[in-house]
Amino acid sequence: AQTVTQSQPEMSVQEAETVTLSCTYDTSESDYYLFWYKQPPSRQMILVIRQEAYKQQNATENRFSVNFQKAAKSFSLKISDSQLGDAAMYFCAMDSNYQLIWGAGTKLIIKP
Amino acid sequence: GAVVSQHPSRVICKSGTSVKIECRSLDFQATTMFWYRQFPKKSLMLMATSNEGSKATYEQGVEKDKFLINHASLTLSTLTVTSAHPEDSSFYICSASRASRGTNEKLFFGSGTQLSVL
Repeated sequence: AQTVTQSQPEMSVQEAETVTLSCTYDTSESDYYLFWYKQPPSRQMILVIRQEAYKQQNATENRFSVNFQKAAKSFSLKISDSQLGDAAMYFCAMDSNYQLIWGAGTKLIIKP
Repeated sequence: GAVVSQHPSRVICKSGTSVKIECRSLDFQATTMFWYRQFPKKSLMLMATSNEGSKATYEQGVEKDKFLINHASLTLSTLTVTSAHPEDSSFYICSASRASRGTNEKLFFGSGTQLSVL
């Protein structure tokens, strides 16, 4: 079965510090996509970063980067220089065989 | 970037009435659109996959007669909640795929619709 697991229901970080959100997944496919989505209080789902499984290089988008460990099936998100606007629910998701599988989400709290 | 418009953002209706939610891709053609339901503090639950010009594919446990999906054009999909009841109250989100294969690698989300059934 294809699954995405986010083991941290809630994380908090001091403003300007760095935080890492964990995500593990399971699939038998060799080709797939991994995503991190952000859902702020407005509830608009926003794509943060995307990783293609066949690419070994970790994806980076400004302050957001991932640590993609394919063998370990791990896909963590690192947020550097955390800002108040980063406060949101973060969802890890996997596209495998045309199905998008979602993690349960991690609530990120930014302490000013 | 690509924009997906979802309307209305919030609707309150009486039990027994029907509610239509629209999802439009504003600057691209979406062969495939997805409808999700999200309960408070929970993840997204896929309800159905909508393909232009064909019948929607519903996930197990989703009543196709209650949640009618129409994808009549490449830019518009609608979800109609028929004979709504309080248990249908939820946040509904649509998304549209820009990828030619209809995969999720280029997925854009609407802003969601909060449905409250009295």
